[in-house]
Amino acid sequence: RKEVEQDPGPFNVPEGATVAFNCTYSNSASQSFFWYRQDCRKEPKLLMSVYSSGNEDGRFTAQLNRASQYISLLIRDSKLSDSATYLCVGDNQGGKLIFGQGTELSVKP
Amino acid sequence: DARVTQTPRDKVTEMGQEVTMRCQPILGHNTVFWYRQTMMQGLELLAYFRNRAPLDDSGMPKDRFSAEMPDATLATLKIQPSEPRDSAVYFCASGSSGTTFFGQGTRLTVV
Repeated sequence: RKEVEQDPGPFNVPEGATVAFNCTYSNSASQSFFWYRQDCRKEPKLLMSVYSSGNEDGRFTAQLNRASQYISLLIRDSKLSDSATYLCVGDNQGGKLIFGQGTELSVKP
Repeated sequence: DARVTQTPRDKVTEMGQEVTMRCQPILGHNTVFWYRQTMMQGLELLAYFRNRAPLDDSGMPKDRFSAEMPDATLATLKIQPSEPRDSAVYFCASGSSGTTFFGQGTRLTVV
């Protein structure tokens, strides 16, 4: 079992839709969590950090549930430019970043 | 714009050859990671360093892979001898205080 697990998708949604991704982690000692975005044939880039209180950045909302050990990302009013792979990341103690497989999102006109 | 720089961007080599990938982390970042990405396995952590000291290389096949940081501006990942199953994109990333940035990767093809 992978330490960080995600539904690989693909998620195919129309423009303007709201889409949610979930991710689970197995190491309860993990302290920090992040969502990264990776475009085709590019490097992963930090999208946002995830806090227990929940945090929002424009159309993106991230949530962490420590009791259930899952992380979520909500994208509202999706744009064509949101098409990418979204990677859930946990800090497995001491700054060691462990990535999930990624969830592919395709936003269609 | 500060960025992580990796060389080469692309490498095609024959099985059995030595491959060396280089990374220049962002100045001032104290943590450096090497990841390998394939379609099947996703992003796998091979090794990481903090303040140039290796902290964890348990993800790396030790018989053929080696990672070093000869100084704060250079990290290297070597494969000797290379095998076709090593074909992947190798990313270097550097970070400090929880923010990590990736290089553009080295796309390795071993034929």
